[in-house]
Amino acid sequence: DAGVIQSPRHEVTEMGQEVTLRCKPISGHDYLFWYRQTMMRGLELLIYFNNNVPIDDSGMPEDRFSAKMPNASFSTLKIQPSEPRDSAVYFCASSGTSPEGKQFFGPGTRLTVL
Amino acid sequence: DQQVKQNSPSLSVQEGRISILNCDYTNSMFDYFLWYKKYPAEGPTFLISISSIKDKNEDGRFTVFLNKSAKHLSLHIVPSQPGDSAVYFCAASGEDDKIIFGKGTRLHILP
Repeated sequence: DAGVIQSPRHEVTEMGQEVTLRCKPISGHDYLFWYRQTMMRGLELLIYFNNNVPIDDSGMPEDRFSAKMPNASFSTLKIQPSEPRDSAVYFCASSGTSPEGKQFFGPGTRLTVL
Repeated sequence: DQQVKQNSPSLSVQEGRISILNCDYTNSMFDYFLWYKKYPAEGPTFLISISSIKDKNEDGRFTVFLNKSAKHLSLHIVPSQPGDSAVYFCAASGEDDKIIFGKGTRLHILP
């Protein structure tokens, strides 16, 4: 299995532009999670899906952030308009039915908003 | 309010010695505790976990100890190797499907 795939790996954009991050979870996993990692806040959960349905989006910082999962093999996280404070590494993770809820992470997208 | 706390941002250990990474939590309803390891420019990878009904779990050089009364867990790595240099995240899961992560401890293994 290729693991969780994220694209792009790096994104540099200017303030005010729309940014779309993409994720392909591991086949057969029912859960998909989006995280943001910053020095100040560590690894924070933004939103997660179960069977393509958003379950908890309480971690989404503002209305500028949105996420979709149109099918079991694809999810997007969109920021519009982007701001410099959105600069961070964004991770996607997926999990199956392990009792401890073990998650498998993608390599991340490093976003820089100028 | 942080439910999972790693109070040491960094730790340096001599190669061959024991590395001990600590973690505290506040929610007594957590069912499992997990440790993840992260190298630069990569995503976190699962290392080891422990159920809340156990007090120790061992996997090769890695052992996790859980002290429920103190709401404390620790990860022991022995002997420490250069490839163990990474950021280690402590995490906890409960009845919902989420994992709560600590902010991480950067481990440096010194030659």
